Amino acid sequence: DIVMTQSPDSLAVSLGERATINCKSSQSVLYSSNNKNYLAWYQQKPGQPPKLLIYWASTRESGVPDRFSGSGSGTDFTLTISSLQAEDVAVYYCQQYYSTTFTFGPGTKVDIK
Amino acid sequence: EVQLVESGGGLVQPGRSLRLSCAASGFTFDDYAMHWVRQAPGKGLEWVSGISWNSGSIGYADSVKGRFTISRDNAKNSLYLQMNSLRAEDTALYYCAKVRDVLLWFGGFDPWGQGTLVTVSS
Repeated sequence: DIVMTQSPDSLAVSLGERATINCKSSQSVLYSSNNKNYLAWYQQKPGQPPKLLIYWASTRESGVPDRFSGSGSGTDFTLTISSLQAEDVAVYYCQQYYSTTFTFGPGTKVDIK
Repeated sequence: EVQLVESGGGLVQPGRSLRLSCAASGFTFDDYAMHWVRQAPGKGLEWVSGISWNSGSIGYADSVKGRFTISRDNAKNSLYLQMNSLRAEDTALYYCAKVRDVLLWFGGFDPWGQGTLVTVSS
């Protein structure tokens, strides 16, 4: 199975500042035939189901604010919140869907400093 | 509005069985792959199982392989998870989720249901 790791485990950022979350896969999730990275990012707020933010590593889901962006390729990926807002306090997960057994990262908790 | 509503959770003794259901509405159910994801109390997300739009492709996490069976009834717009030989470590909130893109097995999950809680305890 592909193992996903995330760093840091948690971070606290001042309102309006940038938050950066890293995700690493144990093997490449780049499918060479279509040049797509099979990776998604989710946001989960307390008491709510996860919400899809980013898919194909860098495509923002409809309705997601443009302060959220995804980047990276192969095995190393980043979710960036360009200007943290109070409503962005949540746990963020990356997920690979390259293999037939999908796996999630352990999550990164984002708080306000 | 796309909606997924899980049901069937509850308290069950170790070794017993439970069947979860997910009722879908607001989209053409038989065009989309569907998945089950669980979350133990206070823990992260764990993918459990997935099924393609026509049931031709099915996958399971190693932790449930041989014990859980995923299925779907496209005529009833419903997804199921038959859980046998339940263990304490299966205790979790079980979510069903739709793959974002039509006819694809692979893709981001959107949306998710609210989940149904399964507690395995004697």
